[in-house]
Amino acid sequence: NAGVTQTPKFQVLKTGQSMTLQCAQDMNHNSMYWYRQDPGMGLRLIYYSASEGTTDKGEVPNGYNVSRLNKREFSLRLESAAPSQTSVYFCASSEGPGHLEETQYFGPGTRLLVL
Amino acid sequence: AQKITQTQPGMFVQEKEAVTLDCTYDTSDPSYGLFWYKQPSSGEMIFLIYQGSYDQQNATEGRYSLNFQKARKSANLVISASQLGDSAMYFCAMRERLYNQGGKLIFGQGTELSVKP
Repeated sequence: NAGVTQTPKFQVLKTGQSMTLQCAQDMNHNSMYWYRQDPGMGLRLIYYSASEGTTDKGEVPNGYNVSRLNKREFSLRLESAAPSQTSVYFCASSEGPGHLEETQYFGPGTRLLVL
Repeated sequence: AQKITQTQPGMFVQEKEAVTLDCTYDTSDPSYGLFWYKQPSSGEMIFLIYQGSYDQQNATEGRYSLNFQKARKSANLVISASQLGDSAMYFCAMRERLYNQGGKLIFGQGTELSVKP
């Protein structure tokens, strides 16, 4: 069971470079999410897609864009990376949308370092 | 305003003892769900337990139980008989119904638990 997969696992960028983080799920889930995790701040939502064809901003969307390519895939793009975007990025999915009790399943994370 | 607060950045517990990790939340939504996730040093996020705002009984899952005190807006995680493998970061999270399109979760800052042999 692959669940939620993310690529790459680790990336180093220079300030101003661009990159796309890839996420795919094989659970036929409708909803997908991108979070960033910084020390002492928990996980903060960047963007989410409640269902195929829709995307919405989360708590910290500035500097990012997303694409829900199809039901399985949800990518996160940094157009011009900044050191403040150094973080661990998690993709998650859930059956969604709407049920309070539905669990979000997380990918293994991508460690991004922006120099 | 912080919606989920975990006031214990780090905690220690002796192996085989019970430990309580605190979580308080803030919402005006009468319908919400509370979650606990575990993040070991390997980094993955593992779902542990769920409690709904209308659930009459405290949730339990094996050695994990949730001490839900609705009036106090607290949802503390209790781990019984701690094991070395319980050493990890633990996150409390909330999902609201009314002000929440798309099933978003709001996370607390986390508590790092260390189990001593």
